[in-house]
Amino acid sequence: EAGVAQSPRYKIIEKRQSVAFWCNPISGHATLYWYQQILGQGPKLLIQFQNNGVVDDSQLPKDRFSAERLKGVDSTLKIQPAKLEDSAVYLCASSPPWGFSTYEQYFGPGTRLTVT
Amino acid sequence: AQTVTQSQPEMSVQEAETVTLSCTYDTSESDYYLFWYKQPPSRQMILVIRQEAYKQQNATENRFSVNFQKAAKSFSLKISDSQLGDAAMYFCAYRSVTGTASKLTFGTGTRLQVTL
Repeated sequence: EAGVAQSPRYKIIEKRQSVAFWCNPISGHATLYWYQQILGQGPKLLIQFQNNGVVDDSQLPKDRFSAERLKGVDSTLKIQPAKLEDSAVYLCASSPPWGFSTYEQYFGPGTRLTVT
Repeated sequence: AQTVTQSQPEMSVQEAETVTLSCTYDTSESDYYLFWYKQPPSRQMILVIRQEAYKQQNATENRFSVNFQKAAKSFSLKISDSQLGDAAMYFCAYRSVTGTASKLTFGTGTRLQVTL
């Protein structure tokens, strides 16, 4: 079974530029999460999708961050414009539908963003 | 809101020895899940072990076991017969079982070094 795929693995941009990250979850996984992991900290949830609907985006900086999950499969996370404090690793995770080991989240390799 | 605290930023253990990583959490819920994740330099979060709060028996996975003290809100990880491949960041995480929001709340992590 293929794991969670993310691209790119690394991205360097200047502040005020825009950037987009892509995530392809494990096939059949209804729930998709985007986490932000700042250096020296644990991951923090940005947004959670259930199929293509948003369940939790309470910690998403909506003035600059946006995310979508078209057709309940792939997802993109966008930052526009980027700030220096957005430098972090962005992790995508997915979990199966309710009733199928829903407690476990499977993580992708992450995208390391550096804003200069 | 739930919080997770890992008070040991770094730990060191000799190969073949045993080490215990500490984690405490705060919640008003009676049922939840607790996890230990390993994050090697490749950045991919790997599930090490999980514990359902309603289970009194401590979880065990090969060389990994937990000491779950629900009343004390403590969840420590014991690694026996440490191997060089165990060197990584270890994160303790909490997951609620209520509602559709199923985010993981992570601690700040403990960096484990394994020496010869």
